[in-house]
Amino acid sequence: LAKTTQPISMDSYEGQEVNITCSHNNIATNDYITWYQQFPSQGPRFIIQGYKTKVTNEVASLFIPADRKSSTLSLPRVSLSDTAVYYCLVGDPMDTGRRALTFGSGTRLQVQP
Amino acid sequence: SAVISQKPSRDICQRGTSLTIQCQVDSQVTMMFWYRQQPGQSLTLIATANQGSEATYESGFVIDKFPISRPNLTFSTLTVSNMSPEDSSIYLCSVAAVRQGIYGYTFGSGTRLTVV
Repeated sequence: LAKTTQPISMDSYEGQEVNITCSHNNIATNDYITWYQQFPSQGPRFIIQGYKTKVTNEVASLFIPADRKSSTLSLPRVSLSDTAVYYCLVGDPMDTGRRALTFGSGTRLQVQP
Repeated sequence: SAVISQKPSRDICQRGTSLTIQCQVDSQVTMMFWYRQQPGQSLTLIATANQGSEATYESGFVIDKFPISRPNLTFSTLTVSNMSPEDSSIYLCSVAAVRQGIYGYTFGSGTRLTVV
């Protein structure tokens, strides 16, 4: 499984856009990039998944450059409720259910008023 | 996507005792995964539970300490045996989920265990 590297922590203020970048230099051809969000005292929650270019949903956008060696999770106009730990994971979706997720250290986002 | 009910949500236990954590899924799944998350840390995989066979444990985790049952395709239990304060953690179960064609994982809400 491709190893990922993310910043340990980030700080932001309400209303700002937050971009969290993840490095995955050894990503394989069949690997997708998936981001999870974890609030205190809860299990991780799926946010977004992508393979290349840009993916957007109601929560976030995911930007993936052509070489796919990194990806950026973009949270538009964050609020206090976006304070959480964000995990970037890389893997083959066809392994889903056959192989457990391997979590890196994640990025602890603190949003200030 | 799958919905997981995990119980208990929290417990405070005496050292030397055991606690069994239950994980119920609203759909049939082949594999269930058990994780441990120590305070301020990331998630660490304990074992993979496949229905009808012995669980597969990760390095550093053994069946005598963390016995797992998987009696059917919707249920699993993890027991933390002979507990010590070092076992104080959040324990989570997880299953694969597909929603709108996207393959991902769903997690239970976790069991916060404190050993005193």
